[in-house]
Amino acid sequence: QKEVEQDPGPLSVPEGAIVSLNCTYSNSAFQYFMWYRQYSRKGPELLMYTYSSGNKEDGRFTAQVDKSSKYISLFIRDSQPSDSATYLCAMSAPGAQKLVFGQGTRLTINP
Amino acid sequence: SQTIHQWPATLVQPVGSPLSLECTVEGTSNPNLYWYRQAAGRGLQLLFYSVGIGQISSEVPQNLSASRPQDRQFILSSKKLLLSDSGFYLCAWSPLQGRNQPQHFGDGTRLSIL
Repeated sequence: QKEVEQDPGPLSVPEGAIVSLNCTYSNSAFQYFMWYRQYSRKGPELLMYTYSSGNKEDGRFTAQVDKSSKYISLFIRDSQPSDSATYLCAMSAPGAQKLVFGQGTRLTINP
Repeated sequence: SQTIHQWPATLVQPVGSPLSLECTVEGTSNPNLYWYRQAAGRGLQLLFYSVGIGQISSEVPQNLSASRPQDRQFILSSKKLLLSDSGFYLCAWSPLQGRNQPQHFGDGTRLSIL
């Protein structure tokens, strides 16, 4: 079993829809959670970083962490074609030098 | 603000040739530095990381090596490339102070082995 599971998609939704992206993890030591956006032929770009359960909002993006269920989500409101990218979740345990990444979900927003 | 540079952006090399990819970080001191490989449609595989000059940790046995000759310079090398070395190579940095800080990535080098 992988430490982090992420549905690779592809996921295709119409413009303006609410998008939900999810990751599950098995290691209860993970306490720090990140979401990255990666456009084609580019490096991943940090979108959200959180280390507590609950919701964190930044503009149209909301990151949600449920440590009891070992489940994290990224919600995108009012999705735009420019949101079309691959979204990667990542997480780490306290004191760890390394991040553990999900496989990434490819998202397409259709105009 | 901090920036990270990788070059070249694209590279085509014959099997058996040597490799040198360079990554530099600006605007910060004593960063942690990382090399990843990303195969098509797959996640990120950590290859090497470094917490200081000359300090390299290898995650995956392979014919690649890494070096950190200066504080903000990280180099990925190979003496003889294999077909399986093709992929998208990403360099990343994170602040040394404060563990569990997120990593920040460069725009990668797309390596094709012929």
